[in-house]
Amino acid sequence: SSEVTQDPAVSVALGQTVRITCQGDSLRSYYVSWYQQKPGQAPVLVIYGKNNRPSGIPDRFSGSSSGNTASLTITGAQAEDEADYYCNSRDSSGNHLVFGGGTKLTVL
Amino acid sequence: EVQLVESGGGLVQPGGSLQLSCAASGFTFSDSSIHWVRQASGKGLEWVGHMRSKVNNYATSYAASVKGRFTISRDDSKNTAYLQMNSLKTEDTALYYCTRRLVSCGGDCYAFDYWGQGTLVTVSS
Repeated sequence: SSEVTQDPAVSVALGQTVRITCQGDSLRSYYVSWYQQKPGQAPVLVIYGKNNRPSGIPDRFSGSSSGNTASLTITGAQAEDEADYYCNSRDSSGNHLVFGGGTKLTVL
Repeated sequence: EVQLVESGGGLVQPGGSLQLSCAASGFTFSDSSIHWVRQASGKGLEWVGHMRSKVNNYATSYAASVKGRFTISRDDSKNTAYLQMNSLKTEDTALYYCTRRLVSCGGDCYAFDYWGQGTLVTVSS
């Protein structure tokens, strides 16, 4: 079992906004990072820290956090955003890292 | 260009051992914390463990599922990290990635900015 949890699947209509969430007690103390993974590919970092995007990540991706819940928001979802999304943070002890179980995003 | 290239995967019997390598290039390897993350087929990502840099005394940390069986090491002169896996179990079957901690993300932030393409480990009799 993971110390951070995600909804297994979310869908969004093309061009609409979708929020993917990650919950866990450790998120009250640590920021979450978010990764996009497409089939057969390695994960790609899309959001880290308070709300930072690595170079090359479209600005339709944003992050936020409140209490024990962190969110990844895609504003104006595109077909190419269909992928699995994982959150990652420290665990409650602060000594280990944990990943959420992943959310499969379908763009309709 | 930052690159991480894993190698050493293969088929091994339960109870056996295997050593994976992660060859790095395009950045100052000796300053970086290197992690191993695995992914069983059709499943999610699982953090395996990491080794910090020399300035952080090469400290290591492991997931409970592998502690005592897996050992991470590094050779900064070769820009290479290693994952020694002993007493392998069928549930260790996965694609193993090495990844680098994003340097600018410190303290209450943790992120991995570059990943290799992974090496497949299959534990089966």
